[in-house]
Amino acid sequence: GQNIDQPTEMTATEGAIVQINCTYQTSGFNGLFWYQQHAGEAPTFLSYNVLDGLEEKGRFSSFLSRSKGYSYLLLKELQMKDSASYLCAVLDSNYQLIWGAGTKLIIKP
Amino acid sequence: IAGITQAPTSQILAAGRRMTLRCTQDMRHNAMYWYRQDLGLGLRLIHYSNTAGTTGKGEVPDGYSVSRANTDDFPLTLASAVPSQTSVYFCASIPNPGTVNEQFFGPGTRLTVL
Repeated sequence: GQNIDQPTEMTATEGAIVQINCTYQTSGFNGLFWYQQHAGEAPTFLSYNVLDGLEEKGRFSSFLSRSKGYSYLLLKELQMKDSASYLCAVLDSNYQLIWGAGTKLIIKP
Repeated sequence: IAGITQAPTSQILAAGRRMTLRCTQDMRHNAMYWYRQDLGLGLRLIHYSNTAGTTGKGEVPDGYSVSRANTDDFPLTLASAVPSQTSVYFCASIPNPGTVNEQFFGPGTRLTVL
């Protein structure tokens, strides 16, 4: 079966760095997405990785290791507005997105 | 409008009633999707449409039906609602199926079935 695992909840301090991990087992792989979802809102796109390595985009970076079925999202210089859920999703061999349950990130002052 | 709109924003529905959730996009995207999102679970695909006139079943299609009469609209119908269909429903789209694109989401419909 297809499976994506990520921690249910994480807590971090404003100004700090946090790493949200995602492991996956899917039927094929055409890339991995990270989305941000604030409470009561729709998911919005953060990043896409299809090759191994680190992609940096401002305060957010995303890493992929295809051989390990592993990705992480790194958030630097945390701000209160980063309090949200972060969703990991894999594009499978049929180009359908398989979603993790999301990680709720709580930022404390 | 720009992007994807959904209606209604929220709805409380008696079990056994019929309900249609509306989704409209103005981006001329060919592929559209309906998801449900429940606490502790990831987004689960209900139905999808790769182009106007075609639809397909996702992971959790039972109790739901869709139609795609044109490019812009993709309504989701619950023929006879049950409490387990209480959820937040998101409509999403991408320009073309079978390609790598971020999915654009509507604002969601919060449905409660009593």
